[in-house]
Amino acid sequence: GAVVSQHPSWVICKSGTSVKIECRSLDFQATTMFWYRQFPKQSLMLMATSNEGSKATYEQGVEKDKFLINHASLTLSTLTVTSAHPEDSSFYICSARAGTASLKQYFGPGTRLTVT
Amino acid sequence: SQQGEEDPQALSIQEGENATMNCSYKTSINNLQWYRQNSGRGLVHLILIRSNEREKHSGRLRVTLDTSKKSSSLLITASRAADTASYFCATDPGAGSYQLTFGKGTKLSVIP
Repeated sequence: GAVVSQHPSWVICKSGTSVKIECRSLDFQATTMFWYRQFPKQSLMLMATSNEGSKATYEQGVEKDKFLINHASLTLSTLTVTSAHPEDSSFYICSARAGTASLKQYFGPGTRLTVT
Repeated sequence: SQQGEEDPQALSIQEGENATMNCSYKTSINNLQWYRQNSGRGLVHLILIRSNEREKHSGRLRVTLDTSKKSSSLLITASRAADTASYFCATDPGAGSYQLTFGKGTKLSVIP
């Protein structure tokens, strides 16, 4: 089946630094990838939609200058949390659609970010 | 924005019993999907039901959809300890959006 990986699986960084999270579709091409954030014991909140070769579309309330998304190829999207603060600590999950005809999204295993 | 609302928020049952989780949503949808998430892990797609379908089965899973009531239910029959996880419904509005809106989830605990 379709597999999505994320790297790193967990990261600890100091306040004020930037962190990059990678999302890869391993065995399919993903024209669209999505980034979600999940706080403890809460549901997933969509942050942005990323289409290959174009700018990401951010959800209301998500700062595009803080959460930089790049979808440079059909198998890779990156999320960079810039100038991270403790309140950015969360579980970040990406998903990918396997082609324009697919309704399913395949989710990565998530990245646990802790900002100290 | 959060659309789906699952109930109950938490459910604890004995192994072998059936587990039923409900989901309500607010706007029109193209399809509704159910996902499972083990603690601290990613999501696993369970089943997708389209807006013109009323019921769907997959193994021990049975999903129903009532678009007039804007609600769906997920039934897991003969539950196993390995079914312990959080279950989320997610709605897809269609119209080329493909953006999923997740409910708050039901935390299921199956006691061996």
